Amino acid sequence: DGGITQSPKYLFRKEGQNVTLSCEQNLNHDAMYWYRQDPGQGLRLIYYSQIVNDFQKGDIAEGYSVSREKKESFPLTVTSAQKNPTAFYLCASSWSRTVLMNTEAFFGQGTRLTVV
Amino acid sequence: AQTVTQSQPEMSVQEAETVTLSCTYDTSESDYYLFWYKQPPSRQMILVIRQEAYKQQNATENRFSVNFQKAAKSFSLKISDSQLGDAAMYFCALLHGANSKLTFGKGITLSVRP
Repeated sequence: DGGITQSPKYLFRKEGQNVTLSCEQNLNHDAMYWYRQDPGQGLRLIYYSQIVNDFQKGDIAEGYSVSREKKESFPLTVTSAQKNPTAFYLCASSWSRTVLMNTEAFFGQGTRLTVV
Repeated sequence: AQTVTQSQPEMSVQEAETVTLSCTYDTSESDYYLFWYKQPPSRQMILVIRQEAYKQQNATENRFSVNFQKAAKSFSLKISDSQLGDAAMYFCALLHGANSKLTFGKGITLSVRP
């Protein structure tokens, strides 16, 4: 089945440690996204990538890093510079060419990161 | 810059009644899509409805329809014959065709009274 997979579902880390969240898709989508969801804040865009080996900062990129070495993978690293990393993280993917195409963003099931 | 604004944090509707969720957006681009997503307690994001900016006709999907006012940059969602299963958080989203940037609003929590 085609889809987008995030792992792990729950992640616990000690303060000051970097942690990497996995996101894999087999939908052959060009674009991939990372969002952070906090109560009352909606989905805030961290990074997005339109194509392999290229990515752009979203609205809250500070303290995060990404890579896009393969079309199907877009891992997110939460670094120790992120001051409040505890949150729910969602990964998504979509077609990058939207004109003349029925497109939507498909989401993973999310990763709940808790930093103690 | 692109922004999506959902000003109502919560709404409530009686079962079988109709409710409208509001959304406004701002963009300088002409090539874009608008979406409404539903997030139930499981937190899985589910596409409710999609609207292409170049289409004048409002999108409909069964009990869900939108009122797309392009000049006013307004994109509201109407849910008819509300059901208990409609209770969830609803997000409005804007996707730019040129750079694929996908921006969400803060969401609205919809409760359905039996």
